[in-house]
Amino acid sequence: GDSVTQMEGPVTLSEEAFLTINCTYTATGYPSLFWYVQYPGEGLQLLLKATKADDKGSNKGFEATYRKETTSFHLEKGSVQVSDSAVYFCALSDRYAGNNRKLIWGLGTSLAVNP
Amino acid sequence: GAVVSQHPSRVICKSGTSVKIECRSLDFQATTMFWYRQFPKQSLMLMATSNEGSKATYEQGVEKDKFLINHASLTLSTLTVTSAHPEDSSFYICSADRAGGHNEQFFGPGTRLTVL
Repeated sequence: GDSVTQMEGPVTLSEEAFLTINCTYTATGYPSLFWYVQYPGEGLQLLLKATKADDKGSNKGFEATYRKETTSFHLEKGSVQVSDSAVYFCALSDRYAGNNRKLIWGLGTSLAVNP
Repeated sequence: GAVVSQHPSRVICKSGTSVKIECRSLDFQATTMFWYRQFPKQSLMLMATSNEGSKATYEQGVEKDKFLINHASLTLSTLTVTSAHPEDSSFYICSADRAGGHNEQFFGPGTRLTVL
């Protein structure tokens, strides 16, 4: 079945450091890919998404490119801030898996950014 | 826009009692709502998918008689944990799929359930 594998955390960085959180997936069809973020004490919110191969999603300085050849959707940010401290979830939605609204989730990666 | 609320945010109950959690889409219509449990190591487990006006679809291993889901309108879904036990203590999160949307789910802030 479909699955998402995310790098384990926690990740601890200094402010202005470069961030990469790896995410790879397996899917039977042509999934849409998402990154969700959960800030402390808040609900999950969509950070960015990509719906087809080679699409790049971007938001708040974060980027992720849908790479079909490597089945990856790695999250990157060139210079992190303390306010980026949160838990990040990679997810996919496979339109051809019988339920085009069901999200398959990674385990989440906790990021702590120190000043 | 696209705000989802949950009530209550926190509930503590005695073992054997039932607890109802409400999930509302405040400014949009949600044809589909989802209920998740979030475990201490952060993983999200989908419990069930509910569509307005029809029976919920439960994931494998989730007891439908234990976790009753009612999606009575396009803006409200409820999860009732019946005869709660300490092992049901968890963080429950709902999300809503906006009608006409593109697979984007909007999440509620979650409900922390503690069963004594």
